[in-house]
Amino acid sequence: DTQMTQSPSSVSASVGDRVTITCRASEGISTWLAWYQQKPGKAPNLLIYSTSRLQSGVPSRFSGSGSGTEFTLTISSLQPDDFATYYCQQANSFPWTFGQGTKVELK
Amino acid sequence: QITLKESGPTLVKPTQTLTLTCTLSGFSVINDGMGVGWIRQPPGKALEWLALIYWDDDKRYRPSLKSRLSITKDTSKNQVVLTMTNLDPVDTATYYCARRRGGTVATVFDYWGQGTLVTVSS
Repeated sequence: DTQMTQSPSSVSASVGDRVTITCRASEGISTWLAWYQQKPGKAPNLLIYSTSRLQSGVPSRFSGSGSGTEFTLTISSLQPDDFATYYCQQANSFPWTFGQGTKVELK
Repeated sequence: QITLKESGPTLVKPTQTLTLTCTLSGFSVINDGMGVGWIRQPPGKALEWLALIYWDDDKRYRPSLKSRLSITKDTSKNQVVLTMTNLDPVDTATYYCARRRGGTVATVFDYWGQGTLVTVSS
C-alpha cells in the first residue's frame, strides 16, 4: 500500500494567515492526489483533485501543488470557515489511501 | 440534487455481521463511469477506504479486509450495500458511503453521505 504522511499534524493560525500543509507519499503517485476538508461531526468535503484542480464551488484561496511524492495544500488567507481537519488521498494505485490528517486550529 | 444516505444498525455484537445500505439520489450507480465506495473513520482517527463498486459491477476491496467484505448494488432501488463479517470492537467507526467522481480516471470521492456510527460491543 502507498503510505501517505501529512505534516504538520496540527497547525495554529489566525484569520488572514497563509497556511501550508504537506503530504508525502511513500512512492511516486504522479499527480494523482486529492485533498479533503472535514469539520467535526461532518463528512469530508472534496476540495482539490489531480493535485491542483479545484472542485466546483471551492473558494480560490485553496490551491494545491506538487508531483511524485511531495504535495502541498495552501490556504492563501485563512477564513473562519476554514478551521477544520484536512486529509490528503492518493488516487494513483489501489488500495486508495488517506493521510492521517492535519488539524487547522485557531491561534 | 445529489445525495447519499447510509442506514443500518448502530450497535453490533462482536463476531456478528454488519450490513449497511447506501441510498442514492440524483444519480444512478449504473451510469457510465460511476462508482460508489465505502470509507470508515474510527473515532478521532483517519479515513480508511474499504470497498468500491463500479457501474459495470466491477468491485474493489481493501486487501487487508477483503475476506470480510462484500459490496453489491441494487439498481432497482438505487442502493449500494456493504456487508462486513466477523465484527470486532476495532471495527467501531463512522461508516460513510461516497460517490466516485466522474470525469477523471482517478478515484476520488465528490459526494458523501452523512455517515453512520457503528459501535461493536457486547
